[in-house]
Amino acid sequence: TQLLEQSPQFLSIQEGENLTVYCNSSSVFSSLQWYRQEPGEGPVLLVTVVTGGEVKKLKRLTFQFGDARKDSSLHITAAQPGDTGLYLCAGRPRMEYGNKLVFGAGTILRVKS
Amino acid sequence: DAGVIQSPRHEVTEMGQEVTLRCKPISGHDYLFWYRQTMMRGLELLIYFNNNVPIDDSGMPEDRFSAKMPNASFSTLKIQPSEPRDSAVYFCASSQLGLAGGKSSYEQYFGPGTRLTVT
Repeated sequence: TQLLEQSPQFLSIQEGENLTVYCNSSSVFSSLQWYRQEPGEGPVLLVTVVTGGEVKKLKRLTFQFGDARKDSSLHITAAQPGDTGLYLCAGRPRMEYGNKLVFGAGTILRVKS
Repeated sequence: DAGVIQSPRHEVTEMGQEVTLRCKPISGHDYLFWYRQTMMRGLELLIYFNNNVPIDDSGMPEDRFSAKMPNASFSTLKIQPSEPRDSAVYFCASSQLGLAGGKSSYEQYFGPGTRLTVT
């Protein structure tokens, strides 16, 4: 079973602090996505990374795909209350046929003002 | 584009009743996914379709669950009979094989979900 393990499960920080969320696996992934989900809504795609070592930036969010394409991280600089939500990583296992994604259990982030 | 549309947004029903959840995927997307999300189990894939054909239904909990996709713009997930343990948020997502950085990507776009409560 290809699993994506996310850590930490919960994170409560003050506005202005930095944080990093990790997504790890023993399997290789063709691509990996990060989603953010707010209460009462569906997950919303933030970014896709496809190349080992790739780094993408989205304003204060920095996403990195591990060199071996088995792990990823999401770093938020100067967190704001609007960043509060559930962050999910999801990946397509390299040997998987079709368009099926494996999702991590998620990291619940709360940013206090 | 309107995005993935799901209905109803909320459903409260009594145990034993039939429940039907509906989904309209993004136009042009050829993959459709049904997920269930609970606090205990997170986001679970129930079934997915490609070009209206069910490809993998290994996540469907039991025979009480069934899903259909009669055409490219509509899918249903039916639970009959419903049980309290089916209470969850059910999401529909759609996808189209795309390219990112010259390589294949598998991004999924989710609907707002249907919150099902079975009493």
